[in-house]
Amino acid sequence: GEQVEQRPPHLSVREGDSAVIICTYTDPNSYYFFWYKQEPGAGLQLLMKVFSSTEINEGQGFTVLLNKKDKQLSLNLTAAHPGDSAVYFCAVKDLTQVVGQLTFGRGTRLQVYA
Amino acid sequence: DPKIIQKPKYLVAVTGSEKILICEQYLGHNAMYWYRQSAKKPLEFMFSYSYQKLMDNQTASSRFQPQSSKKNHLDLQITALKPDDSATYFCASSQDSANTEVFFGKGTRLTVV
Repeated sequence: GEQVEQRPPHLSVREGDSAVIICTYTDPNSYYFFWYKQEPGAGLQLLMKVFSSTEINEGQGFTVLLNKKDKQLSLNLTAAHPGDSAVYFCAVKDLTQVVGQLTFGRGTRLQVYA
Repeated sequence: DPKIIQKPKYLVAVTGSEKILICEQYLGHNAMYWYRQSAKKPLEFMFSYSYQKLMDNQTASSRFQPQSSKKNHLDLQITALKPDDSATYFCASSQDSANTEVFFGKGTRLTVV
């Protein structure tokens, strides 16, 4: 089945710097890709959903890149600020998986310090 | 204003006991799910319910039984609890089976002693 490797597990950056989180997946049939943000004591907040046909996706303060050739999904937070401090998860879904089934990476704990 | 409500937020249980984790969603969704997050594994899909019917049970043993009394409820009954069941259990939902956007509750952290 699908496996998702996420790195790094921990990331600490200065305010204003960029932060990059990378996920590598194994199943070439993967079709939908997601980034979630989890703040302390909160549930997972959906940041972005990416279709396999779109390689570059812009959000508010971040960019998501999908490299299907290398089976990599990356989240690039530009000009990080302390409010970005959280655990970030990537998730992948292929068309053979059942309703609601996503395969998650282990998460990256991001700390942004002033 | 949370739209997926999970109760309780924290739960401590004795080995061998039984507990029920509550989940209600007010998003008008027709599909609901349970996920488990433990220290040893990534967030892991457990069950899928669509229109109150079980669609799939991926990884859970028979000690884990979802219960759906209403369309917007999906509780999780766990019997004969073991220390390895200690984890945070997340309830999630999506509009329907065709919609891939999954929304999560805040989770119930279960500790089995």
